[in-house]
Amino acid sequence: GENVEQHPSTLSVQEGDSAVIKCTYSDSASNYFPWYKQELGKGPQLIIDIRSNVGEKKDQRIAVTLNKTAKHFSLHITETQPEDSAVYFCAASSYGGATNKLIFGTGTLLAVQP
Amino acid sequence: GAGVSQSPRYKVAKRGQDVALRCDPISGHVSLFWYQQALGQGPEFLTYFQNEAQLDKSGLPSDRFFAERPEGSVSTLKIQRTQQEDSAVYLCASSLLPRGNTDTQYFGPGTRLTVL
Repeated sequence: GENVEQHPSTLSVQEGDSAVIKCTYSDSASNYFPWYKQELGKGPQLIIDIRSNVGEKKDQRIAVTLNKTAKHFSLHITETQPEDSAVYFCAASSYGGATNKLIFGTGTLLAVQP
Repeated sequence: GAGVSQSPRYKVAKRGQDVALRCDPISGHVSLFWYQQALGQGPEFLTYFQNEAQLDKSGLPSDRFFAERPEGSVSTLKIQRTQQEDSAVYLCASSLLPRGNTDTQYFGPGTRLTVL
């Protein structure tokens, strides 16, 4: 079945450094790749997404890259701040399928040390 | 505007009890999803509604799980004869457009279910 792998499971960086989280997916029909941030006791919140007709997308300090040939996509956060500390999930979906269900990775706990 | 809301936020049930979890999606959103999130894991898909029609229930783990959205707005996830392995956070998400469209899924805060 569809599978999304996410690495690393934990990531600790110093404030101001960059953080990179990587995901791979198995379903070649996947064409939508959102990233969610989840804080303790809250639901996931979309921070950025990318579609398969785009290789890179940037929004201020956050960027996502997609390599469809290799089935890889990555989240890049620059100039990290303590408030970036949270669990980050990648996900994949095929919006041409029966539903737009999201297949999530296992999450990355990001800790930004002040 | 108001986001997705869920109630209750926390539910403790004794094994064997039935529970009902409620989701109020964003007004006007056609699509509604239920996900289950075990501790330390990513959310896993349970079921999908387009308006009042349940179009995909492939993720429901057993016939003890039942979901409905009778008027195409509020949805209820019911779990009968709860078991300890049902303990998890149940997340509801809604999106504006029907299936077949790339559309943001907005998540609620979840209901944390603990089965003793």
